[in-house]
Amino acid sequence: AQKVTQAQTEISVVEKEDVTLDCVYETRDTTYYLFWYKQPPSGELVFLIRRNSFDEQNEISGRYSWNFQKSTSSFNFTITASQVVDSAVYFCAEGGANSKLTFGKGITLSVRP
Amino acid sequence: DTEVTQTPKHLVMGMTNKKSLKCEQHMGHRAMYWYKQKAKKPPELMFVYSYEKLSINESVPSRFSPECPNSSLLNLHLHALQPEDSALYLCASSQGQGPQPQHFGDGTRLSIL
Repeated sequence: AQKVTQAQTEISVVEKEDVTLDCVYETRDTTYYLFWYKQPPSGELVFLIRRNSFDEQNEISGRYSWNFQKSTSSFNFTITASQVVDSAVYFCAEGGANSKLTFGKGITLSVRP
Repeated sequence: DTEVTQTPKHLVMGMTNKKSLKCEQHMGHRAMYWYKQKAKKPPELMFVYSYEKLSINESVPSRFSPECPNSSLLNLHLHALQPEDSALYLCASSQGQGPQPQHFGDGTRLSIL
């Protein structure tokens, strides 16, 4: 069975600090996909990234970067130079061949001015 | 603005009422989803439609009845709900069923009196 663990529940940083959100997954599938979603206070989940199990390249998109390591079953997300608009709940999720996403419990990030 | 539109944004109803939640997308996506999200919890999958046919029902009580009139529209009919059904109901869509990025609407905040 799939399981996604986001051990951090709440993180508070001051603007311009870097912050890393941790995600550890468990799956028996050899092919799987990992996702990060952002949920601002307005409610909608915003898709950030999808990685498949065969692609361990790290990815950078502006201030966002992701570190995928199969050896430790982790898919961590770093925000560089955080901004107040980054305040949200961040979900890591794992999905397989069907459409079911297994979400972690989410991390509430607060960025203070 | 999200590309998945949900109406209404807020709904208060009594346990004997019948109401419907609506979701619309014009991205040409062929898979659509309903999720339920309680406060401070991750979303829980309820239903998946693929090419307008119900493909996944996560053992949802019959007081929730989904309908997919066409590839752009998804409804959730509500009848005889319980107070514990109060939650944020999120609609999502993806290009197809499978591990595709899902695009979410803002959700309907439902309160059952």
